[in-house]
Parts: sequence; structure tokens; C-alpha cells
Amino acid sequence: GAGVSQSPSNKVTEKGKDVELRCDPISGHTALYWYRQRLGQGLEFLIYFQGNSAPDKSGLPSDRFSAERTGESVSTLTIQRTQQEDSAVYLCASSLREGANTEAFFGQGTRLTVV
Amino acid sequence: AQSVAQPEDQVNVAEGNPLTVKCTYSVSGNPYLFWYVQYPNRGLQFLLKYITGDNLVKGSYGFEAEFNKSQTSFHLKKPSALVSDSALYFCAVRDINQAGTALIFGKGTTLSVSS
Repeated sequence: GAGVSQSPSNKVTEKGKDVELRCDPISGHTALYWYRQRLGQGLEFLIYFQGNSAPDKSGLPSDRFSAERTGESVSTLTIQRTQQEDSAVYLCASSLREGANTEAFFGQGTRLTVV
Repeated sequence: AQSVAQPEDQVNVAEGNPLTVKCTYSVSGNPYLFWYVQYPNRGLQFLLKYITGDNLVKGSYGFEAEFNKSQTSFHLKKPSALVSDSALYFCAVRDINQAGTALIFGKGTTLSVSS
């Protein structure tokens, strides 16, 4: 596609429910990132996929959070047993190729509200 | 570990005046540095990056940034601010020797340009 696509754009869920957020990266991009942006806060790194390498999961805040990516395509971020503090905008980004000098392109984000 | 600091939560400037948004970084090796902008209710957009070469980097919308290795800084600048520049600005870094790591972002600086 033309850009990074995330779905849903908005999600309201009840505390304790599981949610799944989806990211479609730009075609051909080998790297994919998930970030969290709480209201009025900066970007918090969650997880990073780079080609066939093992993902960098060092940013996941708890074992309730997990993410998967099949090859160089779609990624899903799953939050189990959601809590109110999980409410945030979840941003996905992708970049073209391996290498530290490539910029990332961001999707519009999924706004998650846990009630 | 890599880190980025944006020491100002908010910068206020009058239209037509020069603006500076500050960023300092910490990496174990040499850095690749990036600036992104986030307009209200929109995703992050890439502005510019420093990879190597000239310390003054020019980017989109008339913005530029100056890399200063001795001060470990990468301040964003624009000679003449526009009201439409009002947005949230993020600085990001990656260690040049750690291609397999994610971009690390600062907390962001809100730029407010008054008419």
C-alpha cells in the first residue's frame, strides 16, 4: 500500500478483555516497530521486528503484551487482560531495509480506550 | 543504552521569528539522528535526518538541524516560524553500530507559534 495502515483506528474495550491491533507495513519494508503514546506523553518503544532476526521485545511493559509478525508482512499486537493504564495510542512504523540510517514511516495509530 | 533528551516540554515563538527546538542524545558509538513532527490528530511525519557529512542538515518545510558531536546535540531550527508549524516535535536516535535496534524517541516538544 501507499503507507502504513493500522486497524482499527479506534477501539474501546472493557477492562479485562483481550485486544488485538493490526499493522500493515509498507510493501517491501523489512523493519517494523510498535510504539505506545499515552496522552500528552512521548513515544514509548514496545517491540521491533527486523527481517528474519529475533524481535527486540525489550520495550514490552508486561507479559500481557505480545506481538507477532509473519515474514515481512502484517503484524499484530495483542494485549491480554487489558487494564485502564493500557489506554493510549498505539503506533506502528516500518522502514525500508536493514541499516541504522533509514527513517521510519508511521501509521495513523490505533486509539485504545479501556473502560 | 541509547537515549534522547528534549529538555523543553514547550517552546513558544512569534510568527516570523526564528525557532529552535533542542535535542541531546546519548549513544555508545556514533549516532544517526532524526526529527519527526506530529500535527494534531495526525501521524508522525519524518522531517530530516543526520547520517554523516555536513553537520547542518536541511529537511522538509524549511526546517534544518545542526549536529554537534562535542555537545551531543541535534537542535531543530527554522529561520522564520509559521503559525502552521505549531505541532509536537520528536527527536530520535539510533546507534550507528547497532543496526538491529529500534529508533529511540525523546518525549517530544510542543511548538506553539503565535500570530
